[in-house]
Amino acid sequence: EDKVVQSPLSLVVHEGDTVTLNCSYEVTNFRSLLWYKQEKKAPTFLFMLTSSGIEKKSGRLSSILDKKELFSILNITATQTGDSAIYLCARSRIIQGAQKLVFGQGTRLTINP
Amino acid sequence: NAGVTQTPKFQVLKTGQSMTLQCAQDMNHNSMYWYRQDPGMGLRLIYYSASEGTTDKGEVPNGYNVSRLNKREFSLRLESAAPSQTSVYFCASSEFLAGGRNIQYFGAGTRLSVL
Repeated sequence: EDKVVQSPLSLVVHEGDTVTLNCSYEVTNFRSLLWYKQEKKAPTFLFMLTSSGIEKKSGRLSSILDKKELFSILNITATQTGDSAIYLCARSRIIQGAQKLVFGQGTRLTINP
Repeated sequence: NAGVTQTPKFQVLKTGQSMTLQCAQDMNHNSMYWYRQDPGMGLRLIYYSASEGTTDKGEVPNGYNVSRLNKREFSLRLESAAPSQTSVYFCASSEFLAGGRNIQYFGAGTRLSVL
């Protein structure tokens, strides 16, 4: 089954803490793994990972993809209240030029001051 | 530059009523998508359109129809709304970029309640 599973589903931490969000998937033949941040409305793009390794978005956010073990991690250091959001990961396949995404359930991250 | 625009933002329907959700993008993207988001289930693909003139089913197409009116617009129609279709609906568009990158950009969503 083509599932994407995120953990934890919910996480509450204090400002300044470091958090690690997990994403595991089941298929091996996909194009890329994406992370999105969803605050009040539309998901906004954070990362795209196409091969095993690390990609940094900013000084505080980073992500790892391990294609052998079928997982990805989103890491946020020195968290701020503005990081409070739902974080979604999705695996991508390209079908006739369109990008078919399968999303995980999301992790709801709350940063308390 | 508005990006992806969805209308309406909110809608309440009675069971059996029909309605069309509108989506337009001004980024000249070839591909467009409709998703629904339910609590604890992430986003699920309803239909997509790889290019103007083509549409295909996603994970959860039952009860919906779509029309790719032109390159800019992709509408989602509920012919006979059911309470199970209460959800937040997102439209997205994407285009291949250099290096094989293909990123979807989302609209602000339509919150639909079916009573």
